[in-house]
Amino acid sequence: DQQVKQNSPSLSVQEGRISILNCDYTNSMFDYFLWYKKYPAEGPTFLISISSIKDKNEDGRFTVFLNKSAKHLSLHIVPSQPGDSAVYFCAASENTGNQFYFGTGTSLTVIP
Amino acid sequence: NAGVTQTPKFRVLKTGQSMTLLCAQDMNHEYMYWYRQDPGMGLRLIHYSVGEGTTAKGEVPDGYNVSRLKKQNFLLGLESAAPSQTSVYFCASSYSLAGGPDEQYFGPGTRLTVT
Repeated sequence: DQQVKQNSPSLSVQEGRISILNCDYTNSMFDYFLWYKKYPAEGPTFLISISSIKDKNEDGRFTVFLNKSAKHLSLHIVPSQPGDSAVYFCAASENTGNQFYFGTGTSLTVIP
Repeated sequence: NAGVTQTPKFRVLKTGQSMTLLCAQDMNHEYMYWYRQDPGMGLRLIHYSVGEGTTAKGEVPDGYNVSRLKKQNFLLGLESAAPSQTSVYFCASSYSLAGGPDEQYFGPGTRLTVT
């Protein structure tokens, strides 16, 4: 059973507007979360992370929000740029674990 | 500094054939991982290694074997390929997790087709 879910397979946003990508998880033991970005024919690249002791982490145009009670995290990209068009994966792990569990990905298209 | 490299980039196998995928990293990372990516399934962990000479099973280990004889290399073997193993395979590595999980660095992937 999928422990990390990304229920929106795709998202289209106008350049300059905000992109919001969502991720839900079921395992309450998860306490470390990451977002990866993937271009076609390339491997995923790390974007931003957050641990359960925080509810927000920001890095430039990218902000990740964590709502532990709802078992939900989201990635905000502001402002969105055409180069942000890619597939975004969220991943989760227990703090003492060795395994990351990935969502199915959301394909973001930023329209110029 | 090449990061994580994978060999080969593409391969077509017939059912029952065997092959080995090679992953190499030059970042002196302790941890290495093999994932497969299938449409609608995201990335699923096959096997991983927490250091030279160690291996462990992930979510979907059946039909695969791995070896970590050298710290910089992690090999994924398919002894008898099946069409269900048609997928894109990604290798990843990360620093020691003594302090907890860490970001993973991924290779470019190997696209495998089993006919």
